[in-house]
Amino acid sequence: QVQLVQSGSELKKPGASVKVSCKASGYTFTNYALNWVRQAPGQGLEWMGWINTNTGNPTYAQGFTGRFVFSLDTSVSTAYLQISSLKPEDTAVYYCARVVRAGSGYALDYWGQGTLVTVSS
Amino acid sequence: DIQMTQSPSSLSASVGDRVTITCRASQSISNYLNWYQQKPGKAPKLLIYAASSLQSGVPSRFSGSGSGTDFTLTISSLQPEDFATYYCQQSYNTLLFTFGPGTKVDIK
Repeated sequence: QVQLVQSGSELKKPGASVKVSCKASGYTFTNYALNWVRQAPGQGLEWMGWINTNTGNPTYAQGFTGRFVFSLDTSVSTAYLQISSLKPEDTAVYYCARVVRAGSGYALDYWGQGTLVTVSS
Repeated sequence: DIQMTQSPSSLSASVGDRVTITCRASQSISNYLNWYQQKPGKAPKLLIYAASSLQSGVPSRFSGSGSGTDFTLTISSLQPEDFATYYCQQSYNTLLFTFGPGTKVDIK
């Protein structure tokens, strides 16, 4: 069965970096793009962008350029989200989600369990 | 960029009620519209894709309709497990997604 398993919660100080992992299983990793979605405490879902798991080419949404980096290790079917120069407003749950062709468009059909990143001094 | 709005932002309903949530896009998105359900502390779950297609395993009391800029998610008879927050999401611009702000459905 398809699973996306993310790394555990992180507590970081402002200015530090964090790397969140998302390990895929149950399907061919390079056949589906992976997206990242942020959810601040008590807030809605915010699409961060996606990474092409064939080429490693990332696409970032507005507001997620510069400090946010998507990467892959296809040898272990794992995607990564790295955030540098952390700010308190980066405190959120970060989800990875698989993209699937859905009708004539696309949808996010499998999601990781989420990783809570807390930024506090 | 395509902006998504939802109404209402929250609603209170009783078990057995018919519930309708509306999503509007800032420009025509054809039927490139998906709906997700999120329960507290859990990841979102895909309910409806392409505006009206039911994702495998989702109960038939959920339905979606609409095209262009206006869409609706309907729950025909609200069940206790349906109390959650619902999000629409557009995929008109290939792999440049936008979510709506969400609609919280709670118990009256």
